[in-house]
Amino acid sequence: DADVTQTPRNRITKTGKRIMLECSQTKGHDRMYWYRQDPGLGLRLIYYSFDVKDINKGEISDGYSVSRQAQAKFSLSLESAIPNQTALYFCATSDLSGYTFGSGTRLTVV
Amino acid sequence: LAKTTQPISMDSYEGQEVNITCSHNNIATNDYITWYQQFPSQGPRFIIQGYKTKVTNEVASLFIPADRKSSTLSLPRVSLSDTAVYYCLVGPKGAGNMLTFGGGTRLMVKP
Repeated sequence: DADVTQTPRNRITKTGKRIMLECSQTKGHDRMYWYRQDPGLGLRLIYYSFDVKDINKGEISDGYSVSRQAQAKFSLSLESAIPNQTALYFCATSDLSGYTFGSGTRLTVV
Repeated sequence: LAKTTQPISMDSYEGQEVNITCSHNNIATNDYITWYQQFPSQGPRFIIQGYKTKVTNEVASLFIPADRKSSTLSLPRVSLSDTAVYYCLVGPKGAGNMLTFGGGTRLMVKP
């Protein structure tokens, strides 16, 4: 099993729909993150969590919300999806050694 | 946090050594330099991390001069499968959210 698992891998949704992206990890790390990547660009931080009771906004949190259900689970929600949220979404964990990323969720909002 | 500057893209041929340099003029005393590799449609993958001088692992070498204002990732004898985007990040160990993935360097290895 992968250290960081994201579901679904691909999703097409309609404008205005609510959608949840899920992430689970087996690394035992306290720190978890959600990033967004647009074509040809680097990763931008949406939300991060340093433990179950700690949730923080990243640089582009508008239009997104998160839930840290357990140390191993961190989900990202789009309350009302819009086309410019079409992107590749990555979940990651980290410790002192660095980041471990999931394989990504490709989200298309039509 | 230290801002990093690296080339947008580089081309190479199979079997060549590739050196990607990253500038980080305002690196802090407790900052480490970390490089990640990202293949298309995959998450970035840790390659190497260092603080000073030289670090080598089975994948790459990292050269850091004494002033630490730059660093060079060296990939020996690249193959087509090394075609990827390479990110240079600078920050304290365990900085987590404080690390910013910029645009990276897009390396294209040609036959």
